[in-house]
Amino acid sequence: GENVEQHPSTLSVQEGDSAVIKCTYSDSASNYFPWYKQELGKRPQLIIDIRSNVGEKKDQRIAVTLNKTAKHFSLHITETQPEDSAVYFCAATYTGGFKTIFGAGTRLFVKA
Amino acid sequence: DGGITQSPKYLFRKEGQNVTLSCEQNLNHDAMYWYRQDPGQGLRLIYYSQIVNDFQKGDIAEGYSVSREKKESFPLTVTSAQKNPTAFYLCASSIGDRVGTDTQYFGPGTRLTVL
Repeated sequence: GENVEQHPSTLSVQEGDSAVIKCTYSDSASNYFPWYKQELGKRPQLIIDIRSNVGEKKDQRIAVTLNKTAKHFSLHITETQPEDSAVYFCAATYTGGFKTIFGAGTRLFVKA
Repeated sequence: DGGITQSPKYLFRKEGQNVTLSCEQNLNHDAMYWYRQDPGQGLRLIYYSQIVNDFQKGDIAEGYSVSREKKESFPLTVTSAQKNPTAFYLCASSIGDRVGTDTQYFGPGTRLTVL
């Protein structure tokens, strides 16, 4: 069945460094890839998303890249800050599917 | 964020009891979803609804039931048939015009604990 694998499960970086989280998906029909940030005990919030007709998207310190051939997509956070510490989830879905498959999450720690 | 609410925030249930989790949205969204989140895992889809009076099973629907009598409301009932119901439950909604690829907005969640 459909699957999204996310790595690493835990990531610790020094403030100011970059963080990269990688995901792979199995369903070649997937064409929408959102990323969510979830702080402890709170709801997931969309931070950036990308559609399959785009290879890269950037929003200030956050960027997402998509390689459809390899079925890989990645989240890049530059100049990390302590408030970036949270769990990040990647997800994949497709038009008409109504089923979003989530990765298991990456717990990011940004050390001051 | 304030457009989708869930209640209660915490819920305790004795084994063998059914409980109903509330989800309301004032975003005028057609689509609504229920997810379950367990520690160290991603979100798993329980049920979703594309429109009023219609809903579909997700990946882990066994032991759960839903209704969609109003556009704004999508309550989830956790029945006694659900063997391991202790989890964090998240409701979400989306516009519904790009089926499956709309941005989903989440409620604050309900943490259910079975005693």
